[in-house]
Amino acid sequence: KAGVTQTPRYLIKTRGQQVTLSCSPISGHRSVSWYQQTPGQGLQFLFEYFSETQRNKGNFPGRFSGRQFSNSRSEMNVSTLELGDSALYLCASSSGTAQYGYTFGSGTRLTVV
Amino acid sequence: GESVGLHLPTLSVQEGDNSIINCAYSNSASDYFIWYKQESGKGPQFIIDIRSNMDKRQGQRVTVLLNKTVKHLSLQIAATQPGDSAVYFCAESFSGGYNKLIFGAGTRLAVHP
Repeated sequence: KAGVTQTPRYLIKTRGQQVTLSCSPISGHRSVSWYQQTPGQGLQFLFEYFSETQRNKGNFPGRFSGRQFSNSRSEMNVSTLELGDSALYLCASSSGTAQYGYTFGSGTRLTVV
Repeated sequence: GESVGLHLPTLSVQEGDNSIINCAYSNSASDYFIWYKQESGKGPQFIIDIRSNMDKRQGQRVTVLLNKTVKHLSLQIAATQPGDSAVYFCAESFSGGYNKLIFGAGTRLAVHP
């Protein structure tokens, strides 16, 4: 079966712009979680959506937001980009909780210049 | 952020040797633990998991040990191969926290022929 698909793979944006990243989960999975990965801070949880509702949120500023559609696809948005937002953004899908299987996509590499 | 993103330690081993990667987790209430492997340009890939009611779990060439007393996890890889070269992360979750995973800083495994 198809895995978790993230688009685009690479993005270059300018400080102050906004960006939208997309994640298509494994078919049948209703949970999508987002993570930010940087060399300095490692992998950090951003938020999780289940059936179009945000169930959990990490410690990130309000510039980071997300949503989930009825087909379980999810988007995350970062407004007013800062240089420090440069990172690999990963999404993971699951049928329920992490204990039922949690599969990551290959990520979107965002560079802010 | 919530995960510790410190300088990434490296474990160098010879092909055919056994590797042991260690991880300290942070939350005594965590009840599910996962080891992931991440290769360059890819998202984390599931290796093996363990629930808090177990001390040991074995997979194909891999074994995870859990010591709840000292909040410590280890991943043992038998007969390490060049294809095992990657960064390895442990992650913890709490069943009441839905799909929020807290990741360790990671260990780079370098396998030399």
